[in-house]
Amino acid sequence: AQSVTQLGSHVSVSEGALVLLRCNYSSSVPPYLFWYVQYPNQGLQLLLKYTTGATLVKGINGFEAEFKKSETSFHLTKPSAHMSDAAEYFCAVSFFGNEKLTFGTGTRLTIIP
Amino acid sequence: KAGVTQTPRYLIKTRGQQVTLSCSPISGHRSVSWYQQTPGQGLQFLFEYFSETQRNKGNFPGRFSGRQFSNSRSEMNVSTLELGDSALYLCASSLYSGEETDTQYFGPGTRLTVL
Repeated sequence: AQSVTQLGSHVSVSEGALVLLRCNYSSSVPPYLFWYVQYPNQGLQLLLKYTTGATLVKGINGFEAEFKKSETSFHLTKPSAHMSDAAEYFCAVSFFGNEKLTFGTGTRLTIIP
Repeated sequence: KAGVTQTPRYLIKTRGQQVTLSCSPISGHRSVSWYQQTPGQGLQFLFEYFSETQRNKGNFPGRFSGRQFSNSRSEMNVSTLELGDSALYLCASSLYSGEETDTQYFGPGTRLTVL
């Protein structure tokens, strides 16, 4: 069975600093990997996804993630944090032909002015 | 193009009652999935419908059921509500091209409170 682990339920960074949110997955078959963001009282918004091909994926709002098969990781980064990035971030995994998403427990990102 | 819409946005029920939640997918999307989000259990998959058929199901009791109509709109029903059913219920739709796992787009959710 597949699973996703997000290290750090809370992460705080200063405005302008690097954002790094960690995600590791467990899977016996090639995964499809996603990062979603959730703002208070809202649904989930897709930031980026990896299916096949280029392992460095660029998403919206300046975020990017790199798929590293050897490390079973898909960490999310942003070079310079903005106050509007404060939200909860979820990493998720699925597989070819299966729409079911398995989510990590989420990381709440706080931006310090 | 309009996004995924869910109605109602907020709902308060008492234990033992039943509830029906509605989801309208993005136009042209054929797959609809439902997720439950709680502080304790996080985001958990309930079920997925495609072409009016349940194609995938999570580990929830039979009190949770759903259906999909010919226009791809979906409803989920929870019978005999328990306090632990209080959650944000999220609906997501995708194209399902059949060639690869499509991106799921989420609605704003229905916040269910069981008293």
